[in-house]
Amino acid sequence: EAGVTQFPSHSVIEKGQTVTLRCDPISGHDNLYWYRRVMGKEIKFLLHFVKESKQDESGMPNNRFLAERTGGTYSTLKVQPAELEDSGVYFCASSQQRGFQETQYFGPGTRLLVL
Amino acid sequence: AQRVTQPEKLLSVFKGAPVELKCNYSYSGSPELFWYVQYSRQRLQLLLRHISRESIKGFTADLNKGETSFHLKKPFAQEEDSAMYYCALRGDSWGKLQFGAGTQVVVTP
Repeated sequence: EAGVTQFPSHSVIEKGQTVTLRCDPISGHDNLYWYRRVMGKEIKFLLHFVKESKQDESGMPNNRFLAERTGGTYSTLKVQPAELEDSGVYFCASSQQRGFQETQYFGPGTRLLVL
Repeated sequence: AQRVTQPEKLLSVFKGAPVELKCNYSYSGSPELFWYVQYSRQRLQLLLRHISRESIKGFTADLNKGETSFHLKKPFAQEEDSAMYYCALRGDSWGKLQFGAGTQVVVTP
């Protein structure tokens, strides 16, 4: 079974440009999460989809970030316009269960560098 | 406020020596605690969770509610244990994880 996949693996853009990150969860997983690790800091939660609905978007830093999950399958995270402080590693995770048995499976991450 | 603290950024141990990674948390209710591990060039993966009370790859972790700690221990470190270890907390029964800053473990022969 394929794991969580993310595209691209790396992205280098200039300040002010737009970048779109994609996450394909494990097939059948209703829960999809976005996290990010900014340089030198801890991994922080961004938002949580259940199918196509945003369950929790309390971690989204500002309105330059837009996440979508059309059809409840893959998800995209768009940063527009990108700022220097957006550089970091963006992780996606998915899970099938709810409750105490939930296990989140992580993708390899997308390394974003904003110059 | 909800917080996970891993005081050690780097832990260097010799092969065969015991290793203990510290994790302290603050949360007003009864959280669920996890240890995640990221080996070199691999993705983040779950190592163990407190609710399972199991030993994985020789590692154990006990939730101490009095001290609000969830330290990870292994009696005899192996070279393949070299990795980045993250302690994480989940406040609700499911949903977002809150991570500590991580501890890099280096096991030298």
